[in-house]
Amino acid sequence: KQEVTQIPAALSVPEGENLVLNCSFTDSAIYNLQWFRQDPGKGLTSLLLIQSSQREQTSGRLNASLDKSSGRSTLYIAASQPGDSATYLCAPNNYGQNFVFGPGTRLSVLP
Amino acid sequence: DVKVTQSSRYLVKRTGEKVFLECVQDMDHENMFWYRQDPGLGLRLIYFSYDVKMKEKGDIPEGYSVSREKKERFSLILESASTNQTSMYLCATANYGYTFGSGTRLTVV
Repeated sequence: KQEVTQIPAALSVPEGENLVLNCSFTDSAIYNLQWFRQDPGKGLTSLLLIQSSQREQTSGRLNASLDKSSGRSTLYIAASQPGDSATYLCAPNNYGQNFVFGPGTRLSVLP
Repeated sequence: DVKVTQSSRYLVKRTGEKVFLECVQDMDHENMFWYRQDPGLGLRLIYFSYDVKMKEKGDIPEGYSVSREKKERFSLILESASTNQTSMYLCATANYGYTFGSGTRLTVV
């Protein structure tokens, strides 16, 4: 069964820093991986969906990379802002299975 | 834009009540899911459905049932609410990726 870990569990940075969030998964037979953002008390908002054939996917200040063979994905946030403060979850999608969600990284960007 | 609508943002129910949580999607997706989310436990799958009138148990189905009479609507039913079902409930649809609703915070007193 797919297992997902995210490091770090929490991160606090000053505004303007570039940062990297890490996602590791045990079963590399995925066909895509999705990154989400969750604000307190709210649902999950999709940030990026990266297909298994892709190495990277970009949206604005966000860049997700995928190394399927090593079971890793990273979410890079450039020039962080206080509005980026949220919990970030990754979810690899295996053939024939439902998404498995990581525990999340709680990010605080300080003004 | 794709939309998943959960009928209530906050609900307070009494122990023993039958509770209905409604989820409606406008994307014509076949796949729909109900999760609960608790601090320290992450997202846990309760039930899912791949088609009308179909339902499959997820990881924690005990105490819950579901109904999918129409493609766009997927209802989660707490047959007899208990305090340990106090949680955030999230509905999602999936095509290639997931789209979530805004969540229902249920408190059972």
